[in-house]
Amino acid sequence: AQSVSQHNHHVILSEAASLELGCNYSYGGTVNLFWYVQYPGQHLQLLLKYFSGDPLVKGIKGFEAEFIKSKFSFNLRKPSVQWSDTAEYFCAVNLYSSASKIIFGSGTRLSIRP
Amino acid sequence: GAVVSQHPSRVICKSGTSVKIECRSLDFQATTMFWYRQFPKQSLMLMATSNEGSKATYEQGVEKDKFLINHASLTLSTLTVTSAHPEDSSFYICSARTQDSYEQYFGPGTRLTVT
Repeated sequence: AQSVSQHNHHVILSEAASLELGCNYSYGGTVNLFWYVQYPGQHLQLLLKYFSGDPLVKGIKGFEAEFIKSKFSFNLRKPSVQWSDTAEYFCAVNLYSSASKIIFGSGTRLSIRP
Repeated sequence: GAVVSQHPSRVICKSGTSVKIECRSLDFQATTMFWYRQFPKQSLMLMATSNEGSKATYEQGVEKDKFLINHASLTLSTLTVTSAHPEDSSFYICSARTQDSYEQYFGPGTRLTVT
């Protein structure tokens, strides 16, 4: 069965540290990839997405992600985090074969120490 | 653009009663809407996919008679939790997409508490 794995359940960083959150998926076909963020008490917001083209995708708030097809990965990065980045981050995959269904990873809680 | 609203944002109901949650796409026509359930500190689990004017497609393990989904128009889908029980208490989130895009736009969610 198709799945999305986020191996980091809880990441704690100090402000200005660099961030990388891992995301791997298990599906051999064509995919669309997403990272969503859920700030405390708020709804899901799209950080960035990859449909095709340049595998290095830039999103909002200084985030970027790189799609490495050979590794089935779509890791999220930010060079210098801020306290306001404290949130839950979800990687998600849309499978072409299932039209529009999106499968979410288990999420990574990011806590930033001021 | 691409705003999705949900109503109510919070609801408390007694065990055995039914509760309806509305999901609306405010500024676009949503050919497909999705209903998710999110338990505390866990990810979103897709419950069902609904296309306007047709029956919803439920994910494995989701009781279609308990979670009634109606997508009667291109801007409104409803989820009715029938004969609610405390274990149905959860955060229910809807999303919507247009016919020509894979991107989904998420609503703010509805917190259901069954006492």
